[in-house]
Amino acid sequence: AQSVTQLDSQVPVFEEAPVELRCNYSSSVSVYLFWYVQYPNQGLQLLLKYLSGSTLVKGINGFEAEFNKSQTSFHLRKPSVHISDTAEYFCAVSEGGDAGNMLTFGGGTRLMVKP
Amino acid sequence: DVKVTQSSRYLVKRTGEKVFLECVQDMDHENMFWYRQDPGLGLRLIYFSYDVKMKEKGDIPEGYSVSREKKERFSLILESASTNQTSMYLCASRNRVTGELFFGEGSRLTVL
Repeated sequence: AQSVTQLDSQVPVFEEAPVELRCNYSSSVSVYLFWYVQYPNQGLQLLLKYLSGSTLVKGINGFEAEFNKSQTSFHLRKPSVHISDTAEYFCAVSEGGDAGNMLTFGGGTRLMVKP
Repeated sequence: DVKVTQSSRYLVKRTGEKVFLECVQDMDHENMFWYRQDPGLGLRLIYFSYDVKMKEKGDIPEGYSVSREKKERFSLILESASTNQTSMYLCASRNRVTGELFFGEGSRLTVL
């Protein structure tokens, strides 16, 4: 069974600093990869997704992620964060290259941007 | 603008009460899901539905049931609420082509 690990439960960072949120997955087959963001007291919304093609994926709000198949990672990055980026971020994977397969979520990383 | 709408954002119920959480999507998606979200435990799948009148147990179905009478509506039912069901409940529907999940705003349930 696949699993998704987000190594950092909390990441504090100062405004305008760069940030990387780490995501590793375990799967022996091809995968689809997703990052979701959850602002306080709201549902999850999609930041970006990797289905195929270029391993560098750009999403909304200036975020990007890179798929590294050999390291089974899909780390999320932003070169300069804003206070408004304070939220919880979830990495998710579906296995087998079939988008119809179930998504497995990581435990989430709380990004705390400080002024 | 595509949407998943959950009927109640905040609910307070008493132990033993029956609770209905309603979810409606306007994207004509076949697949719909109910998750609960608790601090430190992430998202856990309660039930999902591949299509109308179909339902499948997720990882934590105990104490819950679901109903899918129409394609756009997926209801979560707590037959007899207990304090350990105090949680945030998230409904989602899925685009079968991309696998993307679309989430509602969430329903925060407190059971006293």
